Amino acid sequence: DAGVIQSPRHEVTEMGQEVTLRCKPISGHNSLFWYRQTMMRGLELLIYFNNNVPIDDSGMPEDRFSAKMPNASFSTLKIQPSEPRDSAVYFCASSPTGQGYTGELFFGEGSRLTVL
Amino acid sequence: AQRVTQPEKLLSVFKGAPVELKCNYSYSGSPELFWYVQYSRQRLQLLLRHISRESIKGFTADLNKGETSFHLKKPFAQEEDSAMYYCALSFQGGSEKLVFGKGTKLTVNP
Repeated sequence: DAGVIQSPRHEVTEMGQEVTLRCKPISGHNSLFWYRQTMMRGLELLIYFNNNVPIDDSGMPEDRFSAKMPNASFSTLKIQPSEPRDSAVYFCASSPTGQGYTGELFFGEGSRLTVL
Repeated sequence: AQRVTQPEKLLSVFKGAPVELKCNYSYSGSPELFWYVQYSRQRLQLLLRHISRESIKGFTADLNKGETSFHLKKPFAQEEDSAMYYCALSFQGGSEKLVFGKGTKLTVNP
């Protein structure tokens, strides 16, 4: 397995533009997480899904952010419109749940977003 | 509210010296604590979890409920230990939701 796959790896955009980040979790994992990493705030949980259903989106900063998981193998995080303060590295992670759960999250390589 | 505090943003030691990365948490229930590590140009990955009481790459961490701490220790640091270290808390007893501290960047100098 190639692990959690994220795209794009790097994105540079201008303020006001729409940004879509994509994630493919590890096959068989039924929980998926979106985290944002900044120097000031560290790793913040934005939202997580279980069996494609959003369970906790309390970390989503504002209405400009939205996330979807249309099926077990794909999720998107969308920012519209983007702002310079959204510049960060966005990580996707997945994990098995139920009896398979050990507390370990498997992270993707991250998507580095720069909003000018 | 559940919170994980890593008081040191940066920590620098010399090779062969002991190292301790501090982690404190706030949670009234029974927490599950983890340490994750991110080496340069690599993915964030699990280093160890308190319930396993294991030693990974020479690192150990003991959960101290009285002091609400989960400090990561290694008696003799190596240059390859240089990385970003995150302490994390799972607080919903079996839930997969993890709250991370802000991280400590460890540099081991030759």
